[in-house]
Amino acid sequence: DTAVSQTPKYLVTQMGNDKSIKCEQNLGHDTMYWYKQDSKKFLKIMFSYNNKELIINETVPNRFSPKSPDKAHLNLHINSLELGDSAVYFCASSLVGTSADTQYFGPGTRLTVL
Amino acid sequence: DAKTTQPPSMDCAEGRAANLPCNHSTISGNEYVYWYRQIHSQGPQYIIHGLKNNETNEMASLIITEDRKSSTLILPHATLRDTAVYYCIVAGNTGKLIFGQGTTLQVKP
Repeated sequence: DTAVSQTPKYLVTQMGNDKSIKCEQNLGHDTMYWYKQDSKKFLKIMFSYNNKELIINETVPNRFSPKSPDKAHLNLHINSLELGDSAVYFCASSLVGTSADTQYFGPGTRLTVL
Repeated sequence: DAKTTQPPSMDCAEGRAANLPCNHSTISGNEYVYWYRQIHSQGPQYIIHGLKNNETNEMASLIITEDRKSSTLILPHATLRDTAVYYCIVAGNTGKLIFGQGTTLQVKP
């Protein structure tokens, strides 16, 4: 069983479209995260949710909207996609979200905006 | 959140120990040192973490200096499958992980 799963694995779309990436964890964790890894390979946190409540919201355009229907799911919706949104997006989860807490990452979703 | 400094790249012979250094001179007392690695474009994989004491698990050992300003990740018997980018991260109270450039470890036969 995959602990943190993401769908789709690959996503190719046109500029201006709206798309969603889904994430699910079966670890029973309370906290989930979205990270972005750009073409230069830098991994940056975007958001974190604890038990469906937004905890971390880094400087991310408001075209990006995370949605947590329950604590096992954290989806990322992106409106009006731009070329610069092309990246690999990783979902992660941890038990409670403190510094003593290990984060487990999903396999990533490679988004390509044409 | 404290920043970390790692060498950009290192080589290691297969079967030998790989020692990856990390400096985190501004670490605070309640911040943990984490090590993750990323193999090719897969999701980052947790390796080990520690606060003050040295730690060991089935993957690696973590040696933290007494002043906590630096640490070393040790892979005791590196294999070709350990070739990856290794990230040393200091995690603050928010649990936010700030990834740097990491060290690209190349294990050679």
